[in-house]
Amino acid sequence: EIVLTQSPATLSLSPGERATLSCRASQSVSSYLAWYQQKPGQAPRLLIYDASNRATGIPARFSGSGSGTDFTLTISSLEPEDFAVYYCQQRSNSFTFGPGTKVDIK
Amino acid sequence: QVQLQESGPGLVKPSQTLSLTCTVSGGSISSGGYYWSWIRQHPGKGLEWIGYIYYSGSTYYNPSLKSRVTISVDTSKNQFSLKLSSVTAADTAVYYCARAAGLLSPGWYFDLWGRGTLVTVSS
Repeated sequence: EIVLTQSPATLSLSPGERATLSCRASQSVSSYLAWYQQKPGQAPRLLIYDASNRATGIPARFSGSGSGTDFTLTISSLEPEDFAVYYCQQRSNSFTFGPGTKVDIK
Repeated sequence: QVQLQESGPGLVKPSQTLSLTCTVSGGSISSGGYYWSWIRQHPGKGLEWIGYIYYSGSTYYNPSLKSRVTISVDTSKNQFSLKLSSVTAADTAVYYCARAAGLLSPGWYFDLWGRGTLVTVSS
């Protein structure tokens, strides 16, 4: 099983700041990685797929990069609605998710 | 637009079988191209993929749950279902149905989700 680890566990930032979230895979997943956003009481929402492609309707402030085992989700300037938990997910070998990074208000 | 809605008992006794149904509205399961999945989230924890089914009936399960999971599809009702046998308290979770696009864009990722339903395993 491919294990995904995410860091940091919690990121405390202010609106307008830049957020950088990391996801590391236990073995190469090529570019087969996605990012999701989840708010309390809601289902996850797909943000980024294949490491760097924004899903339909996702604002340009969200961007993804990386390949192999190391990936990054960047939110260029945090909006109030961006404070949430973010998960990475690989589909290279079955499907697994990372444990999440919580972005909260500083 | 296409929407997913989970339904089923919110409380299941230990050792029994958990049964949930996902109703797809606004589109047909039989149109093909999409893979219909179940994903769960333990309280306050991360996400675990359970398995998926294609409209033809072909399935693929998480190896860690495979021995206890059955996913089926009823195209006439535009529904797919999950059965998880021999449940324990460790199966208490929010269960989501979701859609993966397969060979369509955006690919093997979950681009549409139901709202989720909490299933508690307790006597």
